[in-house]
Amino acid sequence: NAGVMQNPRHLVRRRGQEARLRCSPMKGHSHVYWYRQLPEEGLKFMVYLQKENIIDESGMPKERFSAEFPKEGPSILRIQQVVRGDSAAYFCASSAMNTEAFFGQGTRLTVV
Amino acid sequence: AQSVAQPEDQVNVAEGNPLTVKCTYSVSGNPYLFWYVQYPNRGLQFLLKYITGDNLVKGSYGFEAEFNKSQTSFHLKKPSALVSDSALYFCAVRDMNSGYSTLTFGKGTMLLVSP
Repeated sequence: NAGVMQNPRHLVRRRGQEARLRCSPMKGHSHVYWYRQLPEEGLKFMVYLQKENIIDESGMPKERFSAEFPKEGPSILRIQQVVRGDSAAYFCASSAMNTEAFFGQGTRLTVV
Repeated sequence: AQSVAQPEDQVNVAEGNPLTVKCTYSVSGNPYLFWYVQYPNRGLQFLLKYITGDNLVKGSYGFEAEFNKSQTSFHLKKPSALVSDSALYFCAVRDMNSGYSTLTFGKGTMLLVSP
């Protein structure tokens, strides 16, 4: 049973480009969470999704950021028109209902 | 709203000594509590959880945590620290009584174990 798979592991984008981060949850998990980690700032919640539904997006910036978890395929975190401040490690986690979450290795986004 | 506080940015301990990493939480209902560890440039690894039952929970790598409802705490402990335990530790909480509940993390505590 493969763990949570995130790709790419490293992503470099120029300012103004779009970044797409992918997350395939563990088999049998229907809950996906996205977190952002900045140096010295810990882990910040962004969005919580179930299949085809956004449950809680209270941590998502209002502009440029969006997330989806379609019926088929991975969850996608999309950042439009990236800026230098978007550079961070983005982690995805998945869980079954009310169980512990398992994390992927993260995608390290660098905006140049 | 739920929240987690990890009051120490860093904990230093000598190898072989006991260690404690502190965590307090706030939820409106009953808590699910978790500890995770993060090694450099890696994702978070699950260590242990408290859902119900015994207040002392045992987890991976010899770690344990004690749930204290009156103090709303869930401190992580290990009787004898190893240098290889040096890492960033995160406490997390979920509201058991909420049908859809985000997993909320503390800001993390860096544990440094010296030889």
